[in-house]
Formats: sequence, structure tokens, C-alpha cells
Amino acid sequence: NAGVTQTPKFQVLKTGQSMTLQCAQDMNHNSMYWYRQDPGMGLRLIYYSASEGTTDKGEVPNGYNVSRLNKREFSLRLESAAPSQTSVYFCASSEPRVPLGPQHFGDGTRLSIL
Amino acid sequence: GIQVEQSPPDLILQEGANSTLRCNFSDSVNNLQWFHQNPWGQLINLFYIPSGTKQNGRLSATTVATERYSLLYISSSQTTDSGVYFCAVENLRYSGGGADGLTFGKGTHLIIQP
Repeated sequence: NAGVTQTPKFQVLKTGQSMTLQCAQDMNHNSMYWYRQDPGMGLRLIYYSASEGTTDKGEVPNGYNVSRLNKREFSLRLESAAPSQTSVYFCASSEPRVPLGPQHFGDGTRLSIL
Repeated sequence: GIQVEQSPPDLILQEGANSTLRCNFSDSVNNLQWFHQNPWGQLINLFYIPSGTKQNGRLSATTVATERYSLLYISSSQTTDSGVYFCAVENLRYSGGGADGLTFGKGTHLIIQP
């Protein structure tokens, strides 16, 4: 069982470039999330998708867009990368219930913006 | 939004020692999860524990929801326990009623020396 798979694992961009981070889960979860982790900090929520076809902003959405492609896949796009977006990005999924079920994380994407 | 504070921020112990990590939160929660981030950056869900006590091997956790804190106990520490331990909560008062993601503390950095 792969769980939550993120690609790529590492990426270096120049300021102004764009890229899309991919996330896929095979646990049949309805809810998916994108977080960022900065040094010495906990994770902060960027965007989430409660179910296929819906997306909503989290705590730090500026500079990002997301797409819930289908039930399995949730992508995060940086349209014009900035050095402040240098971070480790985590995708997560959880069971569709209230309150949230246990969250399962991918291994992260380490992104550097020069 | 809800505030999550973890203590201590850093902890260095000898192998075999016991430890207690604390998580305080500023409002009532519907959901509390403990995670371990290993030295490779992977996030592992340890406990889903909005209230009560759970045990898993050498690890156990207790959440006292009425007093707004949770404790993670690690007994007979091993070097593989090293890493950062995060507490994360959900409060439905601040969310849209579900699937809105977790609010993380800044973590406790644990180092177990052989």
C-alpha cells in the first residue's frame, strides 16, 4: 500500500518560474490537504479539499492554486514562485468524517526558490 | 484561531529514559492527533486522541479535553525515537464544520543519545 505519494521529492526553481506539485492517495479518502513546513515551525494549512470537486483556502493560501483532479489526486500550483515559498510541502488525506479522521501524510516535497 | 503550544521545545535524553511531552490548546477541540517526524522528514501519525488515554507499545497518550491539554509519554526511549513530535488539533468552531485541516504546534525536538 503506497498511501500518499508526492512528486517530485526535490525541486529547485528560479524566482518567477511556475510548477505543480502532485499528490495522489490510494486509501479512498475524500478529504485531502496541502501544508507547508518552514524551519522551526509546525505545519500550516495552505488549501484543502473536503471532497472531489471542492477546494477551500487554509491559513496561508496566497501565491498558490490547487486542483482536485479526481478523488485520488490533489495538485498544488505555484504560478510565479517567490523565495518566501521556499519550504517543505506536505500532502495529506483523511477519512471523510466530522471531526477529521487520522491524517496520513506523504513524504514531502523540498522546494527551493532562488 | 485556536492556539497550540508544545513543551518543552527541545529535549535531550539518554537511551532508556522516559519522557513526557505536553500540548496545551487555547479552546475546546474535537480532534487531537500526535505525529512523529523522523530525521528523514517523514510524518507518522502516532495517535488520534480527542479524549481519554491510548497506548501503543512504549508510547501512550492522554488527552484531558476539559482542561485543554494532552500528554505524550515515551518509555524506555530508543535512538529511533529521535525526531520532532507534533501535536495538532481541530476546533469545529473555527472551521466550516469538518474536513478543514489541523492546526499544528511548533513541536518538541527530541534527541535520544546512545
